[in-house]
Amino acid sequence: QVKLEESGPGLVKPSQTLSLTCTVTGDSVTSGDHFWTWVRQSPGRGLEWIGNIFYSGNSYYNPSLQSRVSISLDTSKNQFSLKMTSSTAADTAIYYCARGAHWLDPWGQGTLVTVSS
Amino acid sequence: DIQMTQSPPSLSASVGDRVTITCRASQGISNRLNWYQQKPGKAPKLLIYDASILQTGVPSRFSGSGFGTDFALTISSLQPEDFATYFCQQYDNIPRTFGQGTRLDI
Repeated sequence: QVKLEESGPGLVKPSQTLSLTCTVTGDSVTSGDHFWTWVRQSPGRGLEWIGNIFYSGNSYYNPSLQSRVSISLDTSKNQFSLKMTSSTAADTAIYYCARGAHWLDPWGQGTLVTVSS
Repeated sequence: DIQMTQSPPSLSASVGDRVTITCRASQGISNRLNWYQQKPGKAPKLLIYDASILQTGVPSRFSGSGFGTDFALTISSLQPEDFATYFCQQYDNIPRTFGQGTRLDI
């Protein structure tokens, strides 16, 4: 059974970098079968696709966030990570990691990140 | 970006009812459309991919249809566990985009 679990600080100060990690069990981030994706959800923006990464390191980002976002793999820990610079209150959301490029399955349980001083 | 518009935003129904939720894309996306179910405090769960293919383990009362710009999710006979919010998502283009959701209430 494949499981994904997000981890990272729940509170980030404005202008700082938001950093989250997704730990994958039951599959390998280097298998070459799937992309690994980040999505966020907030009352104001709904569900927003942030970007994804393939085992080769190829990554794709939402153009609206591309200047501030990077996604990377840690193959030794079977994890992938999200970094978002210059955080603002508008980045407050539940952040999910998920497996897939076209459809997303499964998803992690999500982690709430609040951007506030 | 491709805009995904769901209707209705909310829907009240009863156990045993047949309900249909629609999703319209701002441009043609072939069959590159997925449906998810989300319950309060939980992550979305994939129900249907490629517009009409039921994900493994999803009850057969769920079905999807459509092509191009107009799509539908139908639940043939509502069960108590089906009261949730439903989202469509396109993967024809980057960025992937989601509908705003349809909340299904008793």
